[in-house]
Amino acid sequence: DTEVTQTPKHLVMGMTNKKSLKCEQHMGHRAMYWYKQKAKKPPELMFVYSYEKLSINESVPSRFSPECPNSSLLNLHLHALQPEDSALYLCASSLYPGGGGGTGELFFGEGSRLTVL
Amino acid sequence: AQSVTQLDSQVPVFEEAPVELRCNYSSSVSVYLFWYVQYPNQGLQLLLKYLSGSTLVESINGFEAEFNKSQTSFHLRKPSVHISDTAEYFCAVSDLQTGANNLFFGTGTRLTVIP
Repeated sequence: DTEVTQTPKHLVMGMTNKKSLKCEQHMGHRAMYWYKQKAKKPPELMFVYSYEKLSINESVPSRFSPECPNSSLLNLHLHALQPEDSALYLCASSLYPGGGGGTGELFFGEGSRLTVL
Repeated sequence: AQSVTQLDSQVPVFEEAPVELRCNYSSSVSVYLFWYVQYPNQGLQLLLKYLSGSTLVESINGFEAEFNKSQTSFHLRKPSVHISDTAEYFCAVSDLQTGANNLFFGTGTRLTVIP
């Protein structure tokens, strides 16, 4: 199994809603990532979890709240978002985090396309 | 710190013609280099990677890239493109110290194959 699965594929929410994006991998990878991608732009790193602990938060606003319940799952909780948060949210995993032999090879999911009204 | 430059934002090319997508990087340490492809409305897929060893790396669908340390380049080439190669291509670099935690993406090149 070499897949990263993201749900939902599409999400429309209002600015007062609370929703969550989910990500799952069963490759035994020990690092998981959330990226945000705006149209015609490269992905931007948001969060990194290493061995189920948050290791990097790229100054992301608190209306985005990540959670790693176990080594296979990664959630992104959304609350009080703004229209400019509309984007494709990509989950990725890698065998190891940075250092420790990690090479930077990431396995991406197909993304969750978020629209904030 | 690393950086990646993809000078060509868009590359139109006729079907069955050759193509080269350019990527230059800067880094003060040894690097790993990647090409990722993103088809419309999809996530990113690893196309090929250079970690060490042979400087010429190939993908299963006919793309190849050559690591040139002296020119700090990792250009992507294909001798004959197909309609299905239409996609966004991202060059990316990481280093031996920070690995996947610090994967720097270029701004992407939109390859459009014209029938």
